[in-house]
Amino acid sequence: EDQVTQSPEALRLQEGESSSLNCSYTVSGLRGLFWYRQDPGKGPEFLFTLYSAGEEKEKERLKATLTKKESFLHITAPKPEDSATYLCALVPGAQKLVFGQGTRLTINP
Amino acid sequence: KAGVTQTPRYLIKTRGQQVTLSCSPISGHRSVSWYQQTPGQGLQFLFEYFSETQRNKGNFPGRFSGRQFSNSRSEMNVSTLELGDSALYLCASSFMGFSDTGELFFGEGSRLTVL
Repeated sequence: EDQVTQSPEALRLQEGESSSLNCSYTVSGLRGLFWYRQDPGKGPEFLFTLYSAGEEKEKERLKATLTKKESFLHITAPKPEDSATYLCALVPGAQKLVFGQGTRLTINP
Repeated sequence: KAGVTQTPRYLIKTRGQQVTLSCSPISGHRSVSWYQQTPGQGLQFLFEYFSETQRNKGNFPGRFSGRQFSNSRSEMNVSTLELGDSALYLCASSFMGFSDTGELFFGEGSRLTVL
């Protein structure tokens, strides 16, 4: 069965304190892995797509990386406005989209 | 340009009733997909429509159905509502679908409460 597991469930950081969020997966075949950000009361907002192991994408303070079994979302020198739930999702060999449970990130000023 | 619009934003129904939710995608987008989000199960894929045809389907019972019109607007219907159907229902649109780039544009959702 295709599974996506995100850790930690929640993370609290001080402003400027860098860290990483993890998304591990077991799938029959990977067509793409995606990262989204979701603010309370809003729909998810697309961040990155990664297709193959070794690939990296960057956007402002965020950097996503991909290996054969997991993806990391690195947050460098975060600001309070980076507080959100970060969701990992992937398209396994079958035509469907599977989401992780998300990591709730809080950045304290 | 206008984003994805979902209506209604909030609704309350009782068990056994049915509900229809509407989604207007971004202009030019041909793919519309639907998701259920609950605190316990997280975000789960319901189905995807592309050019009026259901292209992909998640693991939900037949009480959950949808359709897409020629203008790409989509509706989803839940019949014989159960308490467990209480959730935020999200719609997302994209030009070609999630299997291509993963870049989905989500609406703000319809929050359904079943009493």
